[in-house]
Amino acid sequence: GEDVEQSLFLSVREGDSSVINCTYTDSSSTYLYWYKQEPGAGLQLLTYIFSNMDMKQDQRLTVLLNKKDKHLSLRIADTQTGDSAIYFCAETPDDKLIFGTGTRLQVFP
Amino acid sequence: NAGVTQTPKFQVLKTGQSMTLQCAQDMNHEYMSWYRQDPGMGLRLIHYSVGAGITDQGEVPNGYNVSRSTTEDFPLRLLSAAPSQTSVYFCASSSGTSGDAGELFFGEGSRLTVL
Repeated sequence: GEDVEQSLFLSVREGDSSVINCTYTDSSSTYLYWYKQEPGAGLQLLTYIFSNMDMKQDQRLTVLLNKKDKHLSLRIADTQTGDSAIYFCAETPDDKLIFGTGTRLQVFP
Repeated sequence: NAGVTQTPKFQVLKTGQSMTLQCAQDMNHEYMSWYRQDPGMGLRLIHYSVGAGITDQGEVPNGYNVSRSTTEDFPLRLLSAAPSQTSVYFCASSSGTSGDAGELFFGEGSRLTVL
């Protein structure tokens, strides 16, 4: 089947904004999620958006959803070195949670 | 509060050996799942369970078995290990009866190498 796609790498300077993109496949997903994975650890929920919303803001995080194009993005404002991690989007077909391929964000000073 | 506990954290197997990865959660979560993580492929769902006595296949179920005899435990069995099963395995649970029910809580992962 189709994959939930993300670009593999993103490198940004500390203090700049980061934008991580995701193309998902299931138009019936009720929620779409962003998870963060730090080295050697499991994933942790960052934020999520309900499918009837276009945008959600949560402190430094902004999620944009374009249902027509099945495109989801995560913007991190004022990116810090502690934001360096792998970021996964996830869709929710049926009763499952399906993750994207992950984007490794590297923040340099 | 232990959350989701996976054992072992590391395991090396020879081709053809069998083993069980253990997963236990103490949050009374109905939903539990197993993922494998491989470079460049993200996390892929192996099997999941929406409650005790109920299991279902995910994206990549071949070569793996699961059972859910209690709410707390969801072991993953490799019946005859193959090198293609070398991966990092994550167990995750959530409070709802589906994966679309809010936050998934992850274990710390089990790194399996099959020689």
